[in-house]
Amino acid sequence: QVHLVQSGAEVKKPGASVKVSCKASGYTFTGYFIHWVRQAPGQGLEWMGWINPNNGATKYVEKFQGRVTMTRDTSISTAYMEVNNLGSDDTAFYYCARAYLPYGVNSDYWGQGTLVTVSS
Amino acid sequence: QSALTQPPSASGSPGQSVTISCTGTSSDVGRYNYVSWYQQHPGKAPKLMIYEVSKRPSGVPDRFSGSKSGNTASLTVSGLQAEDEADYYCSSYAGSNNVFGTGTKVTVL
Repeated sequence: QVHLVQSGAEVKKPGASVKVSCKASGYTFTGYFIHWVRQAPGQGLEWMGWINPNNGATKYVEKFQGRVTMTRDTSISTAYMEVNNLGSDDTAFYYCARAYLPYGVNSDYWGQGTLVTVSS
Repeated sequence: QSALTQPPSASGSPGQSVTISCTGTSSDVGRYNYVSWYQQHPGKAPKLMIYEVSKRPSGVPDRFSGSKSGNTASLTVSGLQAEDEADYYCSSYAGSNNVFGTGTKVTVL
């Protein structure tokens, strides 16, 4: 059975960094892309980018270039997303989701979401 | 890349049909058949309902169907049921990026 289990909620101060993990199980981790999507409270979904766990290749939305880093550790089937220089508008639920392709967010399994709160 | 445009709300009585539109451009919805639809209940992660315009993942009822014409994709929910009340989002590939729609709240009257 496929599962994506994310790390727990975080509270960070403005200017800090946060690293969210996403542990995969029940399938071949290197066979699917991992997309990262965020959702501010009461707002819509926002695609952030993807990582190919097979070779570590990444694609980020331009607005996050230089501030977001997606990595993976294939030995423990875990993907990570780090956001630097947090601001209050980064307060959101962050989701990881697997997809067979990077074209479109055709993600059949999602993590439970990680709430990141940025507050002074 | 701008968000795809969806109506903020839609509604229907149990048993009726509701159709949600998702309007993009010739650079995203109009160019690629990588349009998907998600259902999201409050406090839950999104659930994939339709992918590649009109394909249904295993386990999704055939009451849900997708289509596309030009730069606009559509999701139709037939035979509305109480559990269909949720937020719905479309998503499209946009040539190196992916973009979501603005979201539509579906209410079952």
